[in-house]
Parts: sequence; structure tokens; C-alpha cells
Amino acid sequence: GAVVSQHPSRVICKSGTSVKIECRSLDFQATTMFWYRQFPKQSLMLMATSNEGSKATYEQGVEKDKFLINHASLTLSTLTVTSAHPEDSSFYICSAINGQGMNTEAFFGQGTRLTVV
Amino acid sequence: AQKITQTQPGMFVQEKEAVTLDCTYDTSDQSYGLFWYKQPSSGEMIFLIYQGSYDEQNATEGRYSLNFQKARKSANLVISASQLGDSAMYFCAMREGPSGGYQKVTFGIGTKLQVIP
Repeated sequence: GAVVSQHPSRVICKSGTSVKIECRSLDFQATTMFWYRQFPKQSLMLMATSNEGSKATYEQGVEKDKFLINHASLTLSTLTVTSAHPEDSSFYICSAINGQGMNTEAFFGQGTRLTVV
Repeated sequence: AQKITQTQPGMFVQEKEAVTLDCTYDTSDQSYGLFWYKQPSSGEMIFLIYQGSYDEQNATEGRYSLNFQKARKSANLVISASQLGDSAMYFCAMREGPSGGYQKVTFGIGTKLQVIP
């Protein structure tokens, strides 16, 4: 299957700093990328959907100024957690799809475990 | 309202036996896709099987099959001949949205499967 690379896999940062997470599709053009957040032993919560070259669509309750998403190219999307606080500590995972057809599976990155101290 | 409902927080199955993981969904779209993913403790999301809303046959992939009952809006995953390596969280997901427009993939809360030797 297609490969989505997410970096970094783990990051520890100080409260008040910003952290950038990258999501790259290595062997296909990702028309749409999704960013999820997963709390321990819970499901993936969709944060936002981004299409290349346009602004991300955020889910209700997700602060767009807090979680900045940039989808500058068909192979790269970034999530920046700005002014991180301990409550932002979580597992963040991206996924990408390469077409509009419904039978296109979503390919996932390996996830990023963010710890804010 | 919940888009994807998984009512079994945890399931046990004896090795080599079959197990069914339940999933019901809610959508007003005519065209949608249903997926099952496996998430081991490492956190990665592993694609298992896909069913399109227009597919008349139930999807099968090796030991995985999807029992698709469109009128009931259910898409249960059946794992045959369970193996110890099948122990993981299993998520049902749905992709919906207009072709060429805003699409999203949402997940159920997951079912933790434990295979007993």
C-alpha cells in the first residue's frame, strides 16, 4: 500500500512553545489530508481536513488559531500546535487519500506522541 | 448523533475461533465507503478491509470479511481463525461527502480484541 510518513514520532516540548508535525505522502499525491487526535484508549477524533492549496476545514470545537494546518503541496501537510500547554499532550495522527472516489482507503502516518511539560 | 457506533468496548476470542466485531453507521449520503482498521499497541493504523455503499457483494480480504447489511446500516467485521497477533484495537470508519467536494473520514470508538491462547 501507499506510504505516509509522519515526523517526529515523539516530541517533548516546554509549555508555551510551538511544535510542528509533518505528514508526507511518499509515493502518491494526497488530494486530501486529515489530522486526528487520539487520547489514551479512545478513538481518533477528527480535528481538520485539508485540501492542497486551500484553507483547512476544522471540526467544531477545534481552535484553528491553536492548531495551524498548512497543506502547501500534494505531498506535504503540517500541523503546528502553537503555544502548547500540558492539556495538548496527546497522540496526533495524520492520514491521506489520493482521489475522490469512495473506495480509496485512507493511509495513515505512524503518529506523533506529543508531551508538553 | 454518532456517525459510527461500535457497541463492544472489549471482546475475547479463543485462538483459532471466529469473532464478529459490530459496527453501525449513520449517513444520509447515497455514496459512502466503510473501512476497518486495526491499531496495535504501537499506535499505527493498519487498513484491513473496505466496503463501498454500492457494492453488492460482501468484501473479503484473507481472514477478514465484512458483513454489510445496507438496510440495517451495519458493517460488521468477521475475523476467522483468530491468531494471537490479532489482539489489538479495531476501528470502524466511514468516508462520506460529495465527489470533488469536502470529504471526511470518521471513526467509531473502537473495540479492543483479545485473543486467548
